[in-house]
Amino acid sequence: KAGVTQTPRYLIKTRGQQVTLSCSPISGHRSVSWYQQTPGQGLQFLFEYFSETQRNKGNFPGRFSGRQFSNSRSEMNVSTLELGDSALYLCASSPRTGPDTQYFGPGTRLTVL
Amino acid sequence: DQQVKQNSPSLSVQEGRISILNCDYTNSMFDYFLWYKKYPAEGPTFLISISSIKDKNEDGRFTVFLNKSAKHLSLHIVPSQPGDSAVYFCAALGNYGGSQGNLIFGKGTKLSVKP
Repeated sequence: KAGVTQTPRYLIKTRGQQVTLSCSPISGHRSVSWYQQTPGQGLQFLFEYFSETQRNKGNFPGRFSGRQFSNSRSEMNVSTLELGDSALYLCASSPRTGPDTQYFGPGTRLTVL
Repeated sequence: DQQVKQNSPSLSVQEGRISILNCDYTNSMFDYFLWYKKYPAEGPTFLISISSIKDKNEDGRFTVFLNKSAKHLSLHIVPSQPGDSAVYFCAALGNYGGSQGNLIFGKGTKLSVKP
């Protein structure tokens, strides 16, 4: 089975721009979660989608948004980019919502200049 | 406040010996715990998990122990190999009536296994 894939792997943007990241979960997995990793804050939860519905949201501003499609693929969008948004954005998929193992993709490295 | 704590930022172990990585948590609602291994610029790789109804889970060289009364878990790697050198993250999941899915991560412990 193919693992979680994320595109693009690297991205450079400037302040004020917006960005869209994509995640394809493991086949058959219906839950997709997004995390942000920074050196200062570590790994922090952004949001989880299950069956096209946002089930849970972390403590991030409204500039961070996401969606899930009927094939379970997910996108996250960050609008009005700030320097502090530079991070590794990780997507994880799981067969279901609830206590289950989440499998991570390789991440998208976003640099905001 | 940190709900999942890994108090040792780094650990150095000789090849062939045991590596013990520790993790403490504060939230009694957590009922599923996972360990991930991570290399720089890559996503975390799942290693092993344990449900709160168990106190031990073993998978090859990796064993996780859970002490619920102490809110403490540990990952044992025996024997340690140089390829185990990476950052190890402890993570917890809660069960809030099914409306959850977010892992709470510790800050990680960097393990170095010396040949």
